[in-house]
Amino acid sequence: DTAVSQTPKYLVTQMGNDKSIKCEQNLGHDTMYWYKQDSKKFLKIMFSYNNKELIINETVPNRFSPKSPDKAHLNLHINSLELGDSAVYFCASSVRDRGRTDTQYFGPGTRLTVL
Amino acid sequence: GQQLNQSPQSMFIQEGEDVSMNCTSSSIFNTWLWYKQDPGEGPVLLIALYKAGELTSNGRLTAQFGITRKDSFLNISASIPSDVGIYFCAGLRSSNTGKLIFGQGTTLQVKP
Repeated sequence: DTAVSQTPKYLVTQMGNDKSIKCEQNLGHDTMYWYKQDSKKFLKIMFSYNNKELIINETVPNRFSPKSPDKAHLNLHINSLELGDSAVYFCASSVRDRGRTDTQYFGPGTRLTVL
Repeated sequence: GQQLNQSPQSMFIQEGEDVSMNCTSSSIFNTWLWYKQDPGEGPVLLIALYKAGELTSNGRLTAQFGITRKDSFLNISASIPSDVGIYFCAGLRSSNTGKLIFGQGTTLQVKP
């Protein structure tokens, strides 16, 4: 299936641990994103990469480090996890088409719970 | 920071009724998008609007890009139970970065 996929779907871990979430898209898109959705369902962009280059870096603690090994992958590594990091993290991708980079397709999300 | 004010926050309607929700902003956006999120899933794009005044339909859904470029609305006609979910508006100021700003969401419940 052509899609944006994320692993794992659920992640439960202890405070202070380091964890990674992986994202892959096989849509041939050149831009990928990470969003955080809090308990009130508010979606906020965290990072964006275009052709493996960081183009958006919102005010996110430096414990969060995105890594893009190639155009089809954007992984999110989180160090020293805190209780407030508990949320659903969504990966998304889009293509720059005729100057427009707007139609973003989202993955199914990773629910992170920090205990 | 940039914000989109989406209303209503939630709606509980009878099957067959029409639904309307809207988004407003104090800033101009060049693109407006409407997404739907089902429980446990990621947002799915419903309609994309690229020009001020544009009116676009997708089945029973109709959305418009406001003339002032500061608002957009989404209408759902003849609602059915599978319309249940959270609807998000999202605005894009610069197509170069793809930085989407999301509204707070409208939770729709449909009573059969």
